[in-house]
Amino acid sequence: DTAVSQTPKYLVTQMGNDKSIKCEQNLGHDTMYWYKQDSKKFLKIMFSYNNKELIINETVPNRFSPKSPDKAHLNLHINSLELGDSAVYFCASSQVPYAEAFFGQGTRLTVV
Amino acid sequence: EDQVTQSPEALRLQEGESSSLNCSYTVSGLRGLFWYRQDPGKGPEFLFTLYSAGEEKEKERLKATLTKKESFLHITAPKPEDSATYLCAFSNAGGTSYGKLTFGQGTILTVHP
Repeated sequence: DTAVSQTPKYLVTQMGNDKSIKCEQNLGHDTMYWYKQDSKKFLKIMFSYNNKELIINETVPNRFSPKSPDKAHLNLHINSLELGDSAVYFCASSQVPYAEAFFGQGTRLTVV
Repeated sequence: EDQVTQSPEALRLQEGESSSLNCSYTVSGLRGLFWYRQDPGKGPEFLFTLYSAGEEKEKERLKATLTKKESFLHITAPKPEDSATYLCAFSNAGGTSYGKLTFGQGTILTVHP
């Protein structure tokens, strides 16, 4: 049983397209996150949800819109994709907002 | 400003050669200090949480320690399978850091047979 699973694992798309990444956790955690890992492998928070409520929204372009339909799911929708959006996006979850987080396997997004 | 810095950026060891990775942090109201391991093409894998200065945690060849300004990940007699990027992160119970883990840039460890 995968604790935090995200789909797809790879996503190749053209500039200007809209795409979504889905994430599900079966750990019963209250908090979920989206992180972006750039080419230098630096992990940076994008969004954080606690009990379906947005609690962290870092300086991310408003083309990125998270949605949490329930505590077990946090999806990321990206509009009008740009070349600079190419990165690996990780979903994660934790029991509470300050506890250790458990990560999915990542989605490698390539915009061409 | 809350921040975390890891050193060295890269470390090459011979199998069996023990060493330590450093994580220096500045944070108001540290809630937790975390160590992760990341293999290429995978998500970070949780290793340890440390909550207060003086605390130590061990797992196989790894031991994590915490002071008021730093955390160390000691690797004893490493094996090639310990090769990975090791990430340090912290959480803050309040303020602008609440609700996220702030990561360092990582240390790339390579263990040669």
